[in-house]
Amino acid sequence: DIQMTQSPSTLSASVGDSVTITCRASQSINYWLAWFQQKPGKVPKLLISKASTLETGVPSRFSGSGSETEFTLTISSLQPDDFATYFCQHYLGTSWTFGQGTRVELQ
Amino acid sequence: QVQLQESGPGLVKPSQTLSLTCTVSGASIRSGVFHWSWIRQAPGKGLEWIGLIYDSDTGNTYYNPSLESRASMSADMSNNQFSLRLNSVTAADTAVYFCVNYYKGQGGRGYWGHGTLVTVSS
Repeated sequence: DIQMTQSPSTLSASVGDSVTITCRASQSINYWLAWFQQKPGKVPKLLISKASTLETGVPSRFSGSGSETEFTLTISSLQPDDFATYFCQHYLGTSWTFGQGTRVELQ
Repeated sequence: QVQLQESGPGLVKPSQTLSLTCTVSGASIRSGVFHWSWIRQAPGKGLEWIGLIYDSDTGNTYYNPSLESRASMSADMSNNQFSLRLNSVTAADTAVYFCVNYYKGQGGRGYWGHGTLVTVSS
């Protein structure tokens, strides 16, 4: 099975910072990766599908890149609403695993 | 508007079977447009993918290898529902359980239920 390794587990940043979260797959998943944002007590929200497709309504400061085994989620200018936990999930084959999550907290 | 709603007991005793149902509105399980999935999140932890009904018409299902021996999913097309059964539960199965559908070939696009907390305790 494909394992997803997400880093860092916690990221401390300030409003206006640019931050990057990485997700590595144990084998190639082409572009079958999504990024979710989750706030406490809420349902995860899809930000990016197919590695780099920004979902409707998601601010353009969010961007995704990568393919095969290495992927990144970048938030170009962190806003107060962006402090949350972020997860990646792969969709190759029939066993769809999540990364461990990255908590973005206020420095 | 597609909506998914989880239902089932909020408390299950250790060693018993956890049973949850997801009722779908605004979309048909038999349409073949979606995959149907369960995901859970233990308190303070990350998301864990439980399994997938890949095709509701064939009933092909796939599970997280770590749960495969205890998990079972099925679709009830007449009631437009799909379900999860997890047997021999322990406290480690305490979690919020989400039902989710994914558009086929869309790499993550779909709809989530609000989630339901299941506590395993005697």
